[in-house]
Amino acid sequence: QSALTQPRSVSGSPGQSVTISCTGTSSDVGNYNYVSWYQQHPGKAPKLMVYDVSKRPSGVPDRFSGSKSGNTASLTISGLQAEDEADYYCCSYAGRYTWVFGGGTKVTVL
Amino acid sequence: EVQLVESGGGLVQPGGSLRLSCAASGFTFTTHWMHWVRQAPGKGLVWVSRINSDGSGTTYADSVKGRFTISRDNAKNTLYLQMNSLRAEDTAVYYCAGANYGDYYIDYWGQGTLVTVSS
Repeated sequence: QSALTQPRSVSGSPGQSVTISCTGTSSDVGNYNYVSWYQQHPGKAPKLMVYDVSKRPSGVPDRFSGSKSGNTASLTISGLQAEDEADYYCCSYAGRYTWVFGGGTKVTVL
Repeated sequence: EVQLVESGGGLVQPGGSLRLSCAASGFTFTTHWMHWVRQAPGKGLVWVSRINSDGSGTTYADSVKGRFTISRDNAKNTLYLQMNSLRAEDTAVYYCAGANYGDYYIDYWGQGTLVTVSS
């Protein structure tokens, strides 16, 4: 149950795109299409942004998109906005009803 | 409106026990898997435990297996986490979280309750 690997931080100017990677193993990310992404603002509870690799819950802007290739999943934020500045966490199902989160990525809007 | 309200956090000495509760409302509790996720101060999210809809199936992270017990009372729409043999590294905000039956992602999150393990 090792944490998924995410970059500590990414940054971009308003309107730009940023991509956050999430690297796991063939036992989690690579084996299941059950990767989800959560946004967390300081002092707040996490919020679901993407589920099942690339699906968006209702109410989440289409600026947020997810994908996966092999053992690495990615979250792309297009048209970066000030309110997107937050921590982002990936999460993957890891089999036998266990889950594993990534270490988190701080997104900074310059 | 979906609400998950955790309670029971606080300061406890190493080796001690604590029981967290999570009162659920605004959704059909009995059709949801429930999770506990924790976050140490300044650190990332860590999955702790999950229970299925009727309480017959439970799983745990290796770090808490044998020390923590997740349970639920569907008649009271309440989730629990019994934490025994607490260690300093268990210090964290504990979030109660819900996932619709058969979904492998978390829909709903509580606001969290802080557990501090210290002498």
